Amino acid sequence: EADIYQTPRYLVIGTGKKITLECSQTMGHDKMYWYQQDPGMELHLIHYSYGVNSTEKGDLSSESTVSRIRTEHFPLTLESARPSHTSQYLCASSNRQVTDPPATNEKLFFGSGTQLSVL
Amino acid sequence: KNQVEQSPQSLIILEGKNCTLQCNYTVSPFSNLRWYKQDTGRGPVSLTIMTFSENTKSNGRYTATLDADTKQSSLHITASQLSDSASYICVVSDRGSTLGRLYFGRGTQLTVWP
Repeated sequence: EADIYQTPRYLVIGTGKKITLECSQTMGHDKMYWYQQDPGMELHLIHYSYGVNSTEKGDLSSESTVSRIRTEHFPLTLESARPSHTSQYLCASSNRQVTDPPATNEKLFFGSGTQLSVL
Repeated sequence: KNQVEQSPQSLIILEGKNCTLQCNYTVSPFSNLRWYKQDTGRGPVSLTIMTFSENTKSNGRYTATLDADTKQSSLHITASQLSDSASYICVVSDRGSTLGRLYFGRGTQLTVWP
């Protein structure tokens, strides 16, 4: 059902490397999100975007950065990876437009996630 | 502090049996409550979405209930299958802003044995 894709699915890298996690959606959604999830824990919002050239930090402090140059693409970058960055990263998009009033049928579509391990 | 608490943390049942997962929340003002299924190593997939005025919603063998007065929800799974093994996450949205902030529970890890 969801047309939202994340690459890579798994990534093992050494400390200090720069990495970019890719996220793309073909549904034309304005709103996109990045979440971080550790095993057995809740999802934490680290970045979100309401459209092109709009990015905001989420609730969880993160050393990552994001960009939104095109509607369909929302990559997340770590300039210098550390072992503390080891986690699962989930990208999501919402079918509600930013200009819409609060909608009860808003759906959130998730990608399959990137499991990042920093050695 | 707005919170979403789920119980039990984990659950093991035999194939064909029914089970009920619980979600209590303190999010206010309430907008809607969602249940997601998350397979290991995958992203969550939506099962149901309920608003304040809805007290039950079904999706196949999944039935969610909502009591907005007591701020409790449950997800009932009927005639469980091996493929039901997953984490089930309760997510509550507030309407304190036009953007609807989401509050995630930690999930209930369900294992279905043959």
